[in-house]
Amino acid sequence: EPEVTQTPSHQVTQMGQEVILRCVPISNHLYFYWYRQILGQKVEFLVSFYNNEISEKSEIFDDQFSVERPDGSNFTLKIRSTKLEDSAMYFCASRATSGGAEQFFGPGTRLTVL
Amino acid sequence: EDQVTQSPEALRLQEGESSSLNCSYTVSGLRGLFWYRQDPGKGPEFLFTLYSAGEEKEKERLKATLTKKESFLHITAPKPEDSATYLCAAQTHYGGSQGNLIFGKGTKLSVKP
Repeated sequence: EPEVTQTPSHQVTQMGQEVILRCVPISNHLYFYWYRQILGQKVEFLVSFYNNEISEKSEIFDDQFSVERPDGSNFTLKIRSTKLEDSAMYFCASRATSGGAEQFFGPGTRLTVL
Repeated sequence: EDQVTQSPEALRLQEGESSSLNCSYTVSGLRGLFWYRQDPGKGPEFLFTLYSAGEEKEKERLKATLTKKESFLHITAPKPEDSATYLCAAQTHYGGSQGNLIFGKGTKLSVKP
């Protein structure tokens, strides 16, 4: 069964460093999303991406964040200068263009900023 | 402000003891109501989508229902392997929206043998 994959599973970084989180969405999906979940809190929407551009972004997704689809399979989230409060689980999700509106989530990347 | 609230926060059941989880939503226009299961340290796993009041969907021991203000996830004769956090999420009709989800905090279900 096709699934969303994410790498790395755990990333530890120093405050102020840049990190890139990687995702491989399900192959025939064309809508892509990033969400985050701070420990003990709700899953929160960050950004949606379609047709090689950002469709929508939340207030969390400020100038420190960027997304990219560098090739036909990968979808990346870059945090330019990490802060302590960026520590969270980051989930990638994808959705097909037709049929159901279901979003399928990856296993997540745990980001720890020291 | 769009909001999704789940109750209870935690629920402990004995194996075989049926119960329901509640999800109430306040959104400008509901496009779909989603239920996900989340195991510790893992990503949300899709369970159901409901689109209109009165709709019901079933999968094994789980049944999801939808009204105009809330959704219920009924668990019939649960087993220990049903232990997880169950997340509810609403998708709205905002113009131009690509369907981002608004999540509740979840209900942590523990089923004891």
